[in-house]
Amino acid sequence: QKEVEQNSGPLSVPEGAIASLNCTYSDRGSQSFFWYRQYSGKSPELIMFIYSNGDKEDGRFTAQLNKASQYVSLLIRDSQPSDSATYLCAVITAGGTSYGKLTFGQGTILTVHP
Amino acid sequence: KAGVTQTPRYLIKTRGQQVTLSCSPISGHRSVSWYQQTPGQGLQFLFEYFSETQRNKGNFPGRFSGRQFSNSRSEMNVSTLELGDSALYLCASSDSQETQYFGPGTRLLVL
Repeated sequence: QKEVEQNSGPLSVPEGAIASLNCTYSDRGSQSFFWYRQYSGKSPELIMFIYSNGDKEDGRFTAQLNKASQYVSLLIRDSQPSDSATYLCAVITAGGTSYGKLTFGQGTILTVHP
Repeated sequence: KAGVTQTPRYLIKTRGQQVTLSCSPISGHRSVSWYQQTPGQGLQFLFEYFSETQRNKGNFPGRFSGRQFSNSRSEMNVSTLELGDSALYLCASSDSQETQYFGPGTRLLVL
């Protein structure tokens, strides 16, 4: 079982729709969760981080965390063509061996079509 | 604040050579992490440095090494390059809050 798994995609949504990206993780000790966006040929760009159960909203983005189910998601409202990118879920586990180590999922390719 | 910078941005080497990549973190950030990104394996953690000390290391062979200087700038070195080392090498800097900010990366091609 992979440590961090994302819905395989690719995901295609029409402009203005809600895009839902999902991620599960295997280490129950995981404490910190991040969503990055990566455009083709570019480096990952931080969108959001979440530490506590529940929802966290930032503009059109909402991150949701459920530690009991070991599940984290990212919702993008009013999707725009400029949101077309690969979305990466990343996790930091607790403990000394976690220093500076983000464990990434394989990424979900999102395409928003006009 | 200026972001994370990496040099060089592109590099072409041949098998058996060695390479050194450089990373300058965001001002005030003391932690630098390095990652390798390939189409097949995705983003994989190489190692992390904090205050000139390696605190964590990923599952890569000893050909991959790094160091950090007193000004928090970091370098990574790959010796005896193999074709499979062709990848995008990313560094990320962090303050004590764990959130990592990535540099633009160095794209290495090994021929």
